[in-house]
Amino acid sequence: TQLLEQSPQFLSIQEGENLTVYCNSSSVFSSLQWYRQEPGEGPVLLVTVVTGGEVKKLKRLTFQFGDARKDSSLHITAAQPGDTGLYLCAGIVRWDSGYALNFGKGTSLLVTP
Amino acid sequence: DAGVTQSPTHLIKTRGQQVTLRCSPKSGHDTVSWYQQALGQGPQFIFQYYEEEERQRGNFPDRFSGHQFPNYSSELNVNALLLGDSALYLCASSIQTGGIPFFSQYFGPGTRLTVT
Repeated sequence: TQLLEQSPQFLSIQEGENLTVYCNSSSVFSSLQWYRQEPGEGPVLLVTVVTGGEVKKLKRLTFQFGDARKDSSLHITAAQPGDTGLYLCAGIVRWDSGYALNFGKGTSLLVTP
Repeated sequence: DAGVTQSPTHLIKTRGQQVTLRCSPKSGHDTVSWYQQALGQGPQFIFQYYEEEERQRGNFPDRFSGHQFPNYSSELNVNALLLGDSALYLCASSIQTGGIPFFSQYFGPGTRLTVT
């Protein structure tokens, strides 16, 4: 099973600050997804990245997939309290008959007013 | 359009007991996956069901078993509960067709299992 390392584990910032969280592996990802999970809820898909070097933007969130497809980052501009949650990266595991997800441990983000 | 639903929301069991968790997939979805999320960890893949059969399994013992019904709903059964089985159990549904760029799993809110 491919090991996905996320950093930092915890992040506490004030509203308006920028931040970046990272997802790294010693192996090549075929593709990767980022999720956000709020307390008492299941993870919600934010983005899927497939191509090395790919950059995707979702409002104030910017996702980058490394050229070698071994790492990915999530950058949040001008964080808001509503961004608080657990950010998870997940590699898509593929077998003959389907797909599943291999998750990292996540980065817990707290944005205070 | 209802999303993925799970029941019960919370459950407390004693070590050695058996438990059954239930999941109804999002409308139109035919594949159900189960994940275990321990406190402070990311979800770990348990197994996946499609066409009423277990297609793939993660690194979990045979104490974990499941079932998918003709209406695509699913159950997760855990026998001989251990304290370490305490976790949030997440059900995710998806559609079989489409390639990776279209792969999307929709997660339910989970069942919080506490084993004492």
